[in-house]
Amino acid sequence: DQQVKQNSPSLSVQEGRISILNCDYTNSMFDYFLWYKKYPAEGPTFLISISSIKDKNEDGRFTVFLNKSAKHLSLHIVPSQPGDSAVYFCAARSPTNKLIFGTGTLLAVQP
Amino acid sequence: GAVVSQHPSRVICKSGTSVKIECRSLDFQATTMFWYRQFPKQSLMLMATSNEGSKATYEQGVEKDKFLINHASLTLSTLTVTSAHPEDSSFYICSANSFTQGYTFGSGTRLTVV
Repeated sequence: DQQVKQNSPSLSVQEGRISILNCDYTNSMFDYFLWYKKYPAEGPTFLISISSIKDKNEDGRFTVFLNKSAKHLSLHIVPSQPGDSAVYFCAARSPTNKLIFGTGTLLAVQP
Repeated sequence: GAVVSQHPSRVICKSGTSVKIECRSLDFQATTMFWYRQFPKQSLMLMATSNEGSKATYEQGVEKDKFLINHASLTLSTLTVTSAHPEDSSFYICSANSFTQGYTFGSGTRLTVV
């Protein structure tokens, strides 16, 4: 049972445009959400997070939006750069502090 | 920032042998360490949660006798894959968690069982 899903396995965006990565979850008890960037054979790198009491958090080119009623969050990257090309995972924190990861989205930013 | 050292980065072992993977928080004390496994082009699947000085809690479907976890101190956790088989070949990642540092991930270990 996949509690955190990223329905787009891949996304291709032109350099300079906006990248929007989506994530859906099923457990209303998740209280904290994180986005990670990952390259093959490396550990995930933290990008940005959001608490369940907020609906938006911004850090430079990265903005995360949370819609609790829809159990949906999204990561916006603007402007997108070729160096952003990687696999992006969303993760949700359970009440027992476990991080449950989504299925991942491969982002390709075309020069 | 916080750093978690994970060793080895890659290991090849023969079927039937055991392999130990170390996860060490270098500049902070981790109240909890998590072990994940990732198959190619798939998600990071949580295997187990360990707290210093107590037994690890395993996720459903993870064999605790096959994946031995030891959390001897607040800075070190080890995962031992016992009697490894080719289906255990995977990418294993640890994560150290603390109140001050949040979740910090190791760089991962590529295990290949031949």
